[in-house]
Amino acid sequence: SSDLTQDPAVSVALGQTVRITCQGDSLRLYYATWYQQKPGQAPVLVIYGRNSRPSGIPDRFSGSRSGNTDFLTITGAQAEDEADYYCKSRDSSGNQWVFGGGTKLTVL
Amino acid sequence: EVQLVESGGGLVQPGGSVRLSCAGSGLNFSSFWMHWVRQTPGRGLVWVSRIKNDESDTSYADSVKGRFTISRDKAKNTLYLQMNSLRAEDTAVYYCVRAITMITHDAFDIWGQGTMVTVSS
Repeated sequence: SSDLTQDPAVSVALGQTVRITCQGDSLRLYYATWYQQKPGQAPVLVIYGRNSRPSGIPDRFSGSRSGNTDFLTITGAQAEDEADYYCKSRDSSGNQWVFGGGTKLTVL
Repeated sequence: EVQLVESGGGLVQPGGSVRLSCAGSGLNFSSFWMHWVRQTPGRGLVWVSRIKNDESDTSYADSVKGRFTISRDKAKNTLYLQMNSLRAEDTAVYYCVRAITMITHDAFDIWGQGTMVTVSS
């Protein structure tokens, strides 16, 4: 299957830890890459590879995996982390790319 | 400033054509694979197409195969997306994206601001 499944919405209390999941068969072959998108803005890369962050991304963002599921963890969520988060990977053929449906994170 | 700037979007009739352009500024993306990603307003991200750095290979989402063509002009540092036989469901914001390509993952590290294509009569 080429689908990546994400929970549509997750909420977290300010300063607490939240884990966003991305599940799919292709994740047994490829790492998920994670993107943050705020309203009216283009997506921003936050996690890639096993657990790498681009310059400028706070270290409260981290990535991990278990089997066919990749996780984006935000440790100590801040108000500015409220956004939509998308995972992405190649499909099982390796020649097309697929995004998860996105997770809307609300920081309470 | 490093950026990608898309242009060419607008209103087009069903069955019509449009060509999107994406110009690199402050960066040379000739060594990178480039992609187009689209997003229907209020909906999620959808991958559209990819071209390798040496232009040796392209790939497309099933929904646009045979209708869209990706290309690049290294001399102009510009990426294109020729969109033909447009349908209402092609209505979306189209993003140009630079990719860092590895064996185990692809990081879309630079995104343009997007250009809106509306297919309507």
